[in-house]
Amino acid sequence: DTAVSQTPKYLVTQMGNDKSIKCEQNLGHDTMYWYKQDSKKFLKIMFSYNNKELIINETVPNRFSPKSPDKAHLNLHINSLELGDSAVYFCASSQDFASTYEQYFGPGTRLTVT
Amino acid sequence: KQEVTQIPAALSVPEGENLVLNCSFTDSAIYNLQWFRQDPGKGLTSLLLIQSSQREQTSGRLNASLDKSSGRSTLYIAASQPGDSATYLCAVQLTGTASKLTFGTGTRLQVTL
Repeated sequence: DTAVSQTPKYLVTQMGNDKSIKCEQNLGHDTMYWYKQDSKKFLKIMFSYNNKELIINETVPNRFSPKSPDKAHLNLHINSLELGDSAVYFCASSQDFASTYEQYFGPGTRLTVT
Repeated sequence: KQEVTQIPAALSVPEGENLVLNCSFTDSAIYNLQWFRQDPGKGLTSLLLIQSSQREQTSGRLNASLDKSSGRSTLYIAASQPGDSATYLCAVQLTGTASKLTFGTGTRLQVTL
């Protein structure tokens, strides 16, 4: 019974293409996140949505556009992919954005740009 | 800017040993600190969450402590098992940052038979 799921698990694409990664959580949480883990395994937040509203937008190129159609889904669309976009992208969720709640992570999407 | 460092970067211990992983952060104005484990090729699993008002949290063989004033947290693993082998990450949430987590650099743990 998957709590936070992402599709696809692996994505290989060429430079210049546009791609999307989807995330769904069945925990009834209000807040969802996108994180990027680079080749050195360093994890950094990209975006956060609370009940479909953007609340965190880190310094991320505007080629990255998150979309939350409802509070159970947060998708990430990437335009004009570059080699440096190769990384593992993790989706996460928490009950809301208050400090008292743990974040639960999805299994990750490994994006390789060639 | 909050920086989170974990020492050591890698650790190998024989099964059965007790061990301590360290996490230090530069800005003590935190809401909470969370410990995660990451298995190779997998997502993160939350282990323990310590609120800023708490000193420690325990779950089974795991005990995490928090000393805000010195900017440190430790994760104590008792009677280590091969299944504990993973990368352990700590992450802090600063006050006023609406649930934004800043992650540490991770400690890669190997428990050998």
